Amino acid sequence: GENVEQHPSTLSVQEGDSAVIKCTYSDSASNYFPWYKQELGKRPQLIIDIRSNVGEKKDQRIAVTLNKTAKHFSLHITETQPEDSAVYFCAASIGSNYQLIWGAGTKLIIKP
Amino acid sequence: DSGVTQTPKHLITATGQRVTLRCSPRSGDLSVYWYQQSLDQGLQFLIQYYNGEERAKGNILERFSAQQFPDLHSELNLSSLELGDSALYFCASSRGSEEQYFGPGTRLTVT
Repeated sequence: GENVEQHPSTLSVQEGDSAVIKCTYSDSASNYFPWYKQELGKRPQLIIDIRSNVGEKKDQRIAVTLNKTAKHFSLHITETQPEDSAVYFCAASIGSNYQLIWGAGTKLIIKP
Repeated sequence: DSGVTQTPKHLITATGQRVTLRCSPRSGDLSVYWYQQSLDQGLQFLIQYYNGEERAKGNILERFSAQQFPDLHSELNLSSLELGDSALYFCASSRGSEEQYFGPGTRLTVT
């Protein structure tokens, strides 16, 4: 079946450094790729998304890049801050019912 | 605040029991999705409804069922509960696109 692989499962970076999380998807028909941030005990929150007609999108310190040929997309966080510590999930659209298939999540730890 | 509401916030019940979780989507959203998240695990998609009709099914157990009512709120029914059903249950809603907005979740503890 269709799947999304997300790496790494845990990422520890020094405060102020950059963090990169990568996802690979299998359904070549996927055309929507969101990223969600989930703080401990809280709801997942949409932080940025990209559609297949765009290669890169930025919003302040976060950016997402998409390589449709290779079927992978990445989340980039620059100048990391303690409040960036959370679990990040990637997802890709599948089918025609606005359904998403999810990556397993990356726990991002920002070291002071 | 995403505009999606879920009740109750917490639920503690015993094995073998049945519970109902409730979700109200954002105003105007027609789709409701249910997810299960066990401790330190990812999001497991259970089921999706669109305007009252089931649209997609994921890894939903036969002991679980859901429905979406004419006012678009949705309920997830969990029966014959087992210890392994203890988890956070999220619902999310969307307005006919893939952008999903999550509710605060219901934490279910089965003892």
